Amino acid sequence: ETGVTQSPTHLIKTRGQQVTLRCSSQSGHNTVSWYQQALGQGPQFIFQYYREEENGRGNFPPRFSGLQFPNYSSELNVNALELDDSALYLCASSLAAVPYEQYFGPGTRLTVT
Amino acid sequence: QKEVEQNSGPLSVPEGAIASLNCTYSDRGSQSFFWYRQYSGKSPELIMSIYSNGDKEDGRFTAQLNKASQYVSLLIRDSQPSDSATYLCAAPNFGNEKLTFGTGTRLTIIP
Repeated sequence: ETGVTQSPTHLIKTRGQQVTLRCSSQSGHNTVSWYQQALGQGPQFIFQYYREEENGRGNFPPRFSGLQFPNYSSELNVNALELDDSALYLCASSLAAVPYEQYFGPGTRLTVT
Repeated sequence: QKEVEQNSGPLSVPEGAIASLNCTYSDRGSQSFFWYRQYSGKSPELIMSIYSNGDKEDGRFTAQLNKASQYVSLLIRDSQPSDSATYLCAAPNFGNEKLTFGTGTRLTIIP
């Protein structure tokens, strides 16, 4: 069984730039959720994708967008990066039948300077 | 705003003792809860889920849910140094598919 993978592991960007983060879901999982985790905080829900469509969204501005592909992998895109976007970005996959039992990837550490 | 609250700790427990981690939630409609363990520099790992009132045991871990008191806890028996981590409590927000996490409790097991 293949676990959740994310790329890249670390990324440094400049304010105003755009970034794309990638996630491959665990084998057999068809639902992908993205989270932002600041230091010392719990993960904050960004959005979830199921069947290639956004299936729920947290309190994040539209410059955070995503995609899910037919093989259930997913991308998180962030435009017009701000300093406060510096965080650990986590992808989690799950089965649609038990969407809240989520399995996390190792995360992408994004630093915006 | 539906919230999940945890004491941030740190909580220090001697090796071999029982560690007790607590979580309260504001939404009386919440039906299920999840405990995640997060080692420093790593991603969260699902360790327990509980869907009904009462206790659920899995090895050294016991999750307890009390819906009347809006309280969920995680007990770790025979604590080991490898249990030292941050423990996150989470509850779903039905309707927008959101899983709401607490800020986590940092647990240290003292050899």
